[in-house]
Amino acid sequence: AQSVSQHNHHVILSEAASLELGCNYSYGGTVNLFWYVQYPGQHLQLLLKYFSGDPLVKGIKGFEAEFIKSKFSFNLRKPSVQWSDTAEYFCAVNALGAGSYQLTFGKGTKLSVIP
Amino acid sequence: GAVVSQHPSRVICKSGTSVKIECRSLDFQATTMFWYRQFPKQSLMLMATSNEGSKATYEQGVEKDKFLINHASLTLSTLTVTSAHPEDSSFYICSAREGRKNSPLHFGNGTRLTVT
Repeated sequence: AQSVSQHNHHVILSEAASLELGCNYSYGGTVNLFWYVQYPGQHLQLLLKYFSGDPLVKGIKGFEAEFIKSKFSFNLRKPSVQWSDTAEYFCAVNALGAGSYQLTFGKGTKLSVIP
Repeated sequence: GAVVSQHPSRVICKSGTSVKIECRSLDFQATTMFWYRQFPKQSLMLMATSNEGSKATYEQGVEKDKFLINHASLTLSTLTVTSAHPEDSSFYICSAREGRKNSPLHFGNGTRLTVT
């Protein structure tokens, strides 16, 4: 079965710092990859997704993620974070062929941005 | 954009009672809906996949007689926690996918269940 690993449980950054959140998955076949964000008191929202094509995916609010197949990674990046980016971020993998809609989540990374 | 409405957002019930959680897709038809459970400081765990008009598919370790799922229409799925116990206290989230190819999942706001 597939699994998703998010290396950082809690990241604390100052405003304007650059962000990179790690995500690695274990599955040898074709995958769809997602990053979801959950702002305090709100529900999960889709930040960006990768299905095929250009491995560098741009999402909302200046976030991007790069799919590196050889490393089984899909790291999330943002050049300059803002206080409003304080939230919990979840990486998720949909392993195609292993149950077409099954989505496996990482444990999440809490991001705290200090003004 | 697509919206998934989940109700109630919070519920407190006594041990032994049953609780029903509704998940509705408001502006699209969802042939498949998913139910997740989030334990404190852990990841979302898929509990079951709900298919309209057929029986739900439960993940290993999830008691189907305890977590009853009904997907009676293309816009509504319900999760009923039967004979609730304090260990059932958790955060339950539903999601739905539009029928078109490569559409993303849309999540409900979640339901915080507390069993006393």
